[in-house]
Amino acid sequence: QVQLQESGPGLVKPSETLSLLCSVSGDSLSSYYWSWIRQPPGRPLEWIGFVYKTETPRYSPSLRSRVTISADTSKTQISLTLKSVTAADTAIYYCARGGFLEWLPWGNWGQGTPVTVSS
Amino acid sequence: QAVVTQEPSLSVSPGGTVTVTCGLNSGSVSISYYPSWYQQTPGQAPRTLIYSTNTRSSGVPDRFSGSILGNKAALTITGAQADDESVYYCVLYIDNDHWVFGGGTKLTVL
Repeated sequence: QVQLQESGPGLVKPSETLSLLCSVSGDSLSSYYWSWIRQPPGRPLEWIGFVYKTETPRYSPSLRSRVTISADTSKTQISLTLKSVTAADTAIYYCARGGFLEWLPWGNWGQGTPVTVSS
Repeated sequence: QAVVTQEPSLSVSPGGTVTVTCGLNSGSVSISYYPSWYQQTPGQAPRTLIYSTNTRSSGVPDRFSGSILGNKAALTITGAQADDESVYYCVLYIDNDHWVFGGGTKLTVL
């Protein structure tokens, strides 16, 4: 049974860079699409982007200029980097495993890690 | 930029039927957007209900069904139960490039 666990700093200052990790156990990274999805307090879900094998990651157009997602297959970790954060980036950040095709659903989710952007 | 629209809130009586719709500001939703539906209860990660328009995820009761109704994707709950009270999200795959979530529909069962 695959398990996903997000980790990160919890609190980030405005204009700084947010870095999160998703540690995957029980499976390899190679066969699936791995997404980051976030949810600001009281707000809807927002897809951030996904990575698949060695393909170029894809990102939400609204975040594309600030976000980088990468996969470390040796460590079975997915990373998220978000630059120049503002209060609007305050959210619970989820890592989710998709399928072997990009349109397959996210069947496994981490518990989410809360991030607050504040000075 | 694509905007996915949903009813902000709906209500249904226990045992009743309700349909949540998912529209797109730029036009009609079709199967090529691979509409998917997720259910989220407070404090929990979302759960997949339906993907690729009408495929029920493993373990999802058959009272949940997906379809295209007119120019929108739709999630229909037939025989609603109290524990169906949740927020339901639609998500569309835009331009075979990126996913966009709708604003969510808060369903009340009363």
